[in-house]
Amino acid sequence: DSGVTQTPKHLITATGQRVTLRCSPRSGDLSVYWYQQSLDQGLQFLIQYYNGEERAKGNILERFSAQQFPDLHSELNLSSLELGDSALYFCASSAQGQGGYGYTFGSGTRLTVV
Amino acid sequence: SQQGEEDPQALSIQEGENATMNCSYKTSINNLQWYRQNSGRGLVHLILIRSNEREKHSGRLRVTLDTSKKSSSLLITASRAADTASYFCATLEAGSYQLTFGKGTKLSVIP
Repeated sequence: DSGVTQTPKHLITATGQRVTLRCSPRSGDLSVYWYQQSLDQGLQFLIQYYNGEERAKGNILERFSAQQFPDLHSELNLSSLELGDSALYFCASSAQGQGGYGYTFGSGTRLTVV
Repeated sequence: SQQGEEDPQALSIQEGENATMNCSYKTSINNLQWYRQNSGRGLVHLILIRSNEREKHSGRLRVTLDTSKKSSSLLITASRAADTASYFCATLEAGSYQLTFGKGTKLSVIP
C-alpha cells in the first residue's frame, strides 16, 4: 500500500456520461497530480493541485475538471465521455509543490467507456 | 507531450544478467527520476538524480546522468524475474512543477 488511495479501481460507463474519480493523498502530502495513461499516449499530465489551489495544468480537456478539498483529497470529474477517454487514471502525491523528491502513486482507476 | 524517450522500447534478458535502459530528454532539468510499473498497477519511485549529479546507486540500481547529452541510463544488475515490469524515466524541467514521463521500457526477465 503506497498510502495514496484511489477509488473506484474500475469503472465502466457509457459514452456521454459523467464520472468522478477520487484520490486521497499520502498523509502529510500537500500536492496532488492527475495523470492519464493510455497505450498510445503514455503517461500524460493532466493537472496539479497544491494545498487546495490549482498549480499547473497540462493536457486536460475542457470536458475534464478537478478540485482539491480542504482535507486535501482530490476529485477528477470527466464529463461527456468518449470512447477515447478509456484509460488508466493515476493520482500521485508529493510533500511539496513540485516533483523534487519523487511522487507516490496510487493504484489507479481503470476507466472503460463503452 | 513527452519529454523523455526511453530506449529500447522492450528488452528481454535471462535471470542473472544486467539490464540497461536509456532515456533521452530535450530541455534543461532540475532532476531525473526512474519509476517501475508492474502490469496495470501504480508506478513506484525507484531513484532520483539531480542535475548536478553524474551517478547514483541504490541497491542493484545504478543511474547515470549526462546533462551535456541530455541522457540518462538505468542499470539493473543481477536481474531477477521479479524485476519484470515497465520502467519509466521522468524529468522535472527547470521552472516546472510537475514530472514529464517517457513512454517506458518493457523489461522481461526470463527465469
